Amino acid sequence: RKEVEQDPGPFNVPEGATVAFNCTYSNSASQSFFWYRQDCRKEPKLLMSVYSSGNEDGRFTAQLNRASQYISLLIRDSKLSDSATYLCVVNKGWGGNLIFGKGTKLSVKP
Amino acid sequence: DGGITQSPKYLFRKEGQNVTLSCEQNLNHDAMYWYRQDPGQGLRLIYYSQIVNDFQKGDIAEGYSVSREKKESFPLTVTSAQKNPTAFYLCASRKQGSSNQPQHFGDGTRLSIL
Repeated sequence: RKEVEQDPGPFNVPEGATVAFNCTYSNSASQSFFWYRQDCRKEPKLLMSVYSSGNEDGRFTAQLNRASQYISLLIRDSKLSDSATYLCVVNKGWGGNLIFGKGTKLSVKP
Repeated sequence: DGGITQSPKYLFRKEGQNVTLSCEQNLNHDAMYWYRQDPGQGLRLIYYSQIVNDFQKGDIAEGYSVSREKKESFPLTVTSAQKNPTAFYLCASRKQGSSNQPQHFGDGTRLSIL
């Protein structure tokens, strides 16, 4: 099983749609979870951290399921500007380095 | 403004040449990282450093070298031993002391072979 696994997509959705991405991780000792966004030919930027109880930031909701070792990102009311690659990031156990998934590409169409 | 500065933005390497990529941060972060990203691929860790004067190999260290003489600076040298250096190189830093700290990235250096 890969350390961090994501569906590469692409997810092609119309504006206003709700879209969800899942990510699975293999290390049960992982403690830190994040979603990053990477635009084409740019650096990754932190979108949000993922907390055990789940958390929301505007149109974005992140969930963590420790028992099944997956995290999810839900985007509501998609905007054209949401088009990007979304990277799932997990740490390698307590205090360990971050491991980046290969990303899920989202394309929001008018 | 606090941040991470990478330079140059674009770099060309001739055969047999070593080149050095600069990474400077003023975030007072202890840990710094170098990644390589190939088109359509994920980030692969080259080297990292959690404290001054110490660094560790990542998953793909062969053909690369680093130094960490100052907290703010973590330069990466791509040596002539790296036969396929064309890629997007990203430097990142992270605050230590808590496991739930994200990494912050510079805006990258694109390296190509002449």
